[in-house]
Parts: sequence; C-alpha cells; structure tokens
Amino acid sequence: GNSVTQMEGPVTLSEEAFLTINCTYTATGYPSLFWYVQYPGEGLQLLLKATKADDKGSNKGFEATYRKETTSFHLEKGSVQVSDSAVYFCASGGDGGATNKLIFGTGTLLAVQP
Amino acid sequence: GAGVSQSPSNKVTEKGKDVELRCDPISGHTALYWYRQSLGQGLEFLIYFQGNSAPDKSGLPSDRFSAERTGGSVSTLTIQRTQQEDSAVYLCASSLVGGRQETQYFGPGTRLLVL
Repeated sequence: GNSVTQMEGPVTLSEEAFLTINCTYTATGYPSLFWYVQYPGEGLQLLLKATKADDKGSNKGFEATYRKETTSFHLEKGSVQVSDSAVYFCASGGDGGATNKLIFGTGTLLAVQP
Repeated sequence: GAGVSQSPSNKVTEKGKDVELRCDPISGHTALYWYRQSLGQGLEFLIYFQGNSAPDKSGLPSDRFSAERTGGSVSTLTIQRTQQEDSAVYLCASSLVGGRQETQYFGPGTRLLVL
C-alpha cells in the first residue's frame, strides 16, 4: 500500500541554521503532498502543500517541492527560529481512490536552540 | 470562522467501558475524517464520511469501533469494551467536499486513556 517515510528525529539546530527534513512517498497514483506541523500543546495545522509534480509549496519561510522523479517532498527553511520548534509531519493524500485520506509519516521533532 | 471542535478534550475510562467521542466539523464542510495518533502506530486513518455516501470504514481497527454522522454535520466515534491499546489521541478533520487537493482541517483531539 501507499506509504510515507520521513527522517527520524529529533533534529536539534541552532537559531538561524538551515533546515532540511527529508520525506519520500510511495503511491499507486498521483497524490497531493502536505506538510503539517504540531506546535507544543496545539493541534495539527497545515504548513504547506503541493498538488502536482514540480509544484512548490511555501509558507512562513518553509518550502517543499513535489519531485515525481525521486518521489520526494523534502521540507527546507533557510534560517530557523526558536519558534519553529515543533513536530513536522509529511503526508500524502488523494492518489485516486474514493477516499482522500491522508497517509502520514512518523513525524520529526525539531528543536531549535537560541 | 470557527474551526473543528472535539469533545471531550480528555477522557479517562476503565477497561471494558464504552466511550463516545464527538466531532463538530467546520460549517459547510461535507467531508469528515477520523484519525488516531498513538505512540506505537503514529497517525492512522480510521473512517471517512462524505455527504450521504456510505462511509469508508477501512481504517477501523476492530468491530469495537464504530462511527456515525447525523444530519451531515456532527460525528460521534464510539469505542465499545475499551482496551488499554485504545489509549491514544483521536483526531477529527474536515474538508470542503473531500477533494484530493483540499486541505484537511484538524480539531484539537480527544486524549483517551484506558486504565
């Protein structure tokens, strides 16, 4: 079945460091791809998404590009802040089935130190 | 506008008891999803409702789990004869019509602890 694999955490960075969180997917069709973020004590919220190959999603300085050839959707940010500390989930959804349920990766905990 | 709401926020129950979890989707959203977030299994899909169509129950882990959606709005997830492995955070999400490009908006979750 379809699956999402993302890099294990925790990832610990100093403020202003460059961030990459790797995400790859397997799918029978052409899913939409999402990054969701869960800040401490809060619910899941969408960070960015891309719905077709070569699309780039971006929000709050984060970016991810839908790479069909490598089946990847890596999350990047050029300069992280302490406030970016959270758990990040990569997800795929809507690959042609009747139910556009999301399939999530295991989550990556990011801790940014001042 | 108001987001997805869930109640209760926390629930502690004894093994063998039944529990009901409630979800209020965003007004006007016809698609509603239930997910479960647990330490051992991560985030996993449980069940999906879209309008008047038959629900997709393919993610329900056992026949102790059931859900309904009344009037196309509020949904209730029921777990009968709870077991300790049911302890998890139960998340509800809604989207406009369930399209593949749509964002699913999540509620804050119900944290269930089965003693």
